[in-house]
Amino acid sequence: AQKITQTQPGMFVQEKEAVTLDCTYDTSDPSYGLFWYKQPSSGEMIFLIYQGSYDQQNATEGRYSLNFQKARKSANLVISASQLGDSAMYFCAMSSPGTYKYIFGTGTRLKVLA
Amino acid sequence: GAVVSQHPSWVICKSGTSVKIECRSLDFQATTMFWYRQFPKQSLMLMATSNEGSKATYEQGVEKDKFLINHASLTLSTLTVTSAHPEDSSFYICSARESSLVGELFFGEGSRLTVL
Repeated sequence: AQKITQTQPGMFVQEKEAVTLDCTYDTSDPSYGLFWYKQPSSGEMIFLIYQGSYDQQNATEGRYSLNFQKARKSANLVISASQLGDSAMYFCAMSSPGTYKYIFGTGTRLKVLA
Repeated sequence: GAVVSQHPSWVICKSGTSVKIECRSLDFQATTMFWYRQFPKQSLMLMATSNEGSKATYEQGVEKDKFLINHASLTLSTLTVTSAHPEDSSFYICSARESSLVGELFFGEGSRLTVL
């Protein structure tokens, strides 16, 4: 069975600093996708970044990068130059091909301090 | 990116009534949509997979007679909470897959249901 684990219920970071949000996963599928979503207090889920299991390079999207370590089954999100607007819940998710169902981790609440 | 719209954003109803939530893909066709439920300060739990033109596939533990899902067109899926009770109060989020984009799901804004 697939599983996503986020061990950090909450994180604080000073504005303009970088922060890493941890995510580990478990799956027996050789092909899978890893995602990070941001959920502000308003509730909508905002897609941040995607990493495919066969991708050789770590994904990057602007200030977001995904530190993908396949052997360790980790897919940590790195946010550089944190902004006050980054304060939100962050969810790591995994999908499997064929079903396209996502499973989500329990989330990490990030608070950026001025 | 692709847009998924969900309606209503907020709904308050009396216990025993039924509530319908709509999920629309505005600028793409979605053969598959997913319905999630999120309790306060918790993660998203997949309830069911909605397939256009066929019956929804429910996750274990989700009552299909309680949560009716209809995916009548390539741009619309509906979730009807039948005979709602206070324990059904939750945040319901739909998502749709845009097949031309690798893997990414697009989410609606969510619908917050409060059953009195």
